[in-house]
Amino acid sequence: SQQGEEDPQALSIQEGENATMNCSYKTSINNLQWYRQNSGRGLVHLILIRSNEREKHSGRLRVTLDTSKKSSSLLITASRAADTASYFCATDGLPYANQAGTALIFGKGTTLSVSS
Amino acid sequence: GAVVSQHPSRVICKSGTSVKIECRSLDFQATTMFWYRQFPKKSLMLMATSNEGSKATYEQGVEKDKFLINHASLTLSTLTVTSAHPEDSSFYICSARDLGPGSKMPSETQYFGPGTRLLVL
Repeated sequence: SQQGEEDPQALSIQEGENATMNCSYKTSINNLQWYRQNSGRGLVHLILIRSNEREKHSGRLRVTLDTSKKSSSLLITASRAADTASYFCATDGLPYANQAGTALIFGKGTTLSVSS
Repeated sequence: GAVVSQHPSRVICKSGTSVKIECRSLDFQATTMFWYRQFPKKSLMLMATSNEGSKATYEQGVEKDKFLINHASLTLSTLTVTSAHPEDSSFYICSARDLGPGSKMPSETQYFGPGTRLLVL
């Protein structure tokens, strides 16, 4: 099952520009995570934002979360060619005091292409 | 940090054969592991939840007799694709949560294996 949509599906920008990707989801969550995947490779965890947080930063990454709209955005500032990859949001519905029985549910992803 | 390994990383097999993929948590215990599949240019789709010592829970539309899951220990889950066909060709990824230091509480972070690329001819 998939939680929701990423928007846009594909994004092409020049080096130095900012890239913004949006993610919408359907159910209540405990946290939302963003992952990167280079073509044909495994997942790289980028950042996690909890349901009681509204914004989080990590280096050139900025993530926002609006639980009332069930949406999140990932901003990559000053993009580089090395940022070219697919980006996925994933929602975690693990409730407090539960055991490790809940999987992450992924959105459809945004393919980012950064040209130099 | 916690590491999850998968073996093999890549496998090519003939149609009709069975293929086993292993998922190991290398430095933590995982009572639950998750199996995903990913088609080219698509997202990860959850296939099943693997529970140590009990039956796996399959997502709707995933054939449990086709994709056999065994979670015999706290560090190993296996996915066997039985009687593989070309349409089973995909990227299979496993993941697990660390139970958390000194407690039964799982960590928020889910650790992903590097994936296994299956090609069925």
